[in-house]
Amino acid sequence: GAVVSQHPSWVICKSGTSVKIECRSLDFQATTMFWYRQFPKQSLMLMATSNEGSKATYEQGVEKDKFLINHASLTLSTLTVTSAHPEDSSFYICSARDGRATEAFFGQGTRLTVV
Amino acid sequence: AQTVTQSQPEMSVQEAETVTLSCTYDTSESDYYLFWYKQPPSRQMILVIRQEAYKQQNATENRFSVNFQKAAKSFSLKISDSQLGDAAMYFCAYRSGGSGTYKYIFGTGTRLKVLA
Repeated sequence: GAVVSQHPSWVICKSGTSVKIECRSLDFQATTMFWYRQFPKQSLMLMATSNEGSKATYEQGVEKDKFLINHASLTLSTLTVTSAHPEDSSFYICSARDGRATEAFFGQGTRLTVV
Repeated sequence: AQTVTQSQPEMSVQEAETVTLSCTYDTSESDYYLFWYKQPPSRQMILVIRQEAYKQQNATENRFSVNFQKAAKSFSLKISDSQLGDAAMYFCAYRSGGSGTYKYIFGTGTRLKVLA
């Protein structure tokens, strides 16, 4: 099956700094990637939809300037959390669409802790 | 707007027994897909089973099967011969069937415990 790899798996950063999370489709070209946020014991909440070569579409309530998404190639999308604060600590998951498949494929997630 | 509801925050099942996880959804669309995803402690989302709305036949994947009631907008997951490795969070998800639309809507999840 299609493989989506996220890096890093976990990261700790200081408050006020920025951190970048990468999402790669390893064996297929992903025209669309999705970024989710998951709080402990809660469901996945879609943050934004990322289309290769164009601007991301953000869900209502998600700060575009804080969560910068770039989808520069068909195999890579990045999420940058800018000026991170402790409340940004969460589990971030990406998924990617393989145009041939019905379902999207998920990365293993990134646990972000802001101290 | 579409919604997905999982009314069971937690379920327990004895090893080798059968358990059913409930999911209801609301939509005005006729073309859509439904999924069950498993999220073990590793947090990796794993597809368990999917159902196309236009198919009347219930999907099955080995020990996993669904009871898809389109009119009632119900999509339950049955796990037979439960194994310890089935313990995880299970999420029901909805996706519109329109081309170019791969946005998933997830339920709140059901934590399944398997008792030895």
